[in-house]
Amino acid sequence: DTAVSQTPKYLVTQMGNDKSIKCEQNLGHDTMYWYKQDSKKFLKIMFSYNNKELIINETVPNRFSPKSPDKAHLNLHINSLELGDSAVYFCASSLTRGAQKAFFGQGTRLTVV
Amino acid sequence: GQQLNQSPQSMFIQEGEDVSMNCTSSSIFNTWLWYKQDPGEGPVLLIALYKAGELTSNGRLTAQFGITRKDSFLNISASIPSDVGIYFCAGTNAGGTSYGKLTFGQGTILTVHP
Repeated sequence: DTAVSQTPKYLVTQMGNDKSIKCEQNLGHDTMYWYKQDSKKFLKIMFSYNNKELIINETVPNRFSPKSPDKAHLNLHINSLELGDSAVYFCASSLTRGAQKAFFGQGTRLTVV
Repeated sequence: GQQLNQSPQSMFIQEGEDVSMNCTSSSIFNTWLWYKQDPGEGPVLLIALYKAGELTSNGRLTAQFGITRKDSFLNISASIPSDVGIYFCAGTNAGGTSYGKLTFGQGTILTVHP
């Protein structure tokens, strides 16, 4: 069983569209994250949720809105997609909000055309 | 904000050679992590370090938490073709307001020639 799973793995869409990426973890972890990896492979945190509560919100355009229906799921909704949003988005989870080890999903490669 | 400088950016080595890479930070961390990313996959945790001066091994991999808490090192001995990938260091300060946020280095791209 995949510990942290994201869907879809690939997403190609036009500018201006709205899209969502879903993430689920079956590790029983309390904390989930969204990271963005740019074309130079640099990984940067976007958001973190602990037990459905937003605890980290980095400087991210408000077109990006995370939603956590329960502690096993963290979805990422993006409005009015722009070319610069093209990247690989990784979901991750850790045992608690203070836990050091994060486990990553396989990533969603978003291409905006 | 905190920044990590990872070097080298890329390495081309022959199978069987040893590899060293390092990561330095502008400020201290209380935890250092090393991840490996294969093409099309997410980062996979290799080693976690929790104390300054700590030396930890995982098979052919050995990592050290620098005494200043501002750096970490990863060594791979007797490299094999499946070691190919991107290696990332990451620092975090567990507890407090960091909430498990990882700050990543730029990555080291490792190529191993058979």
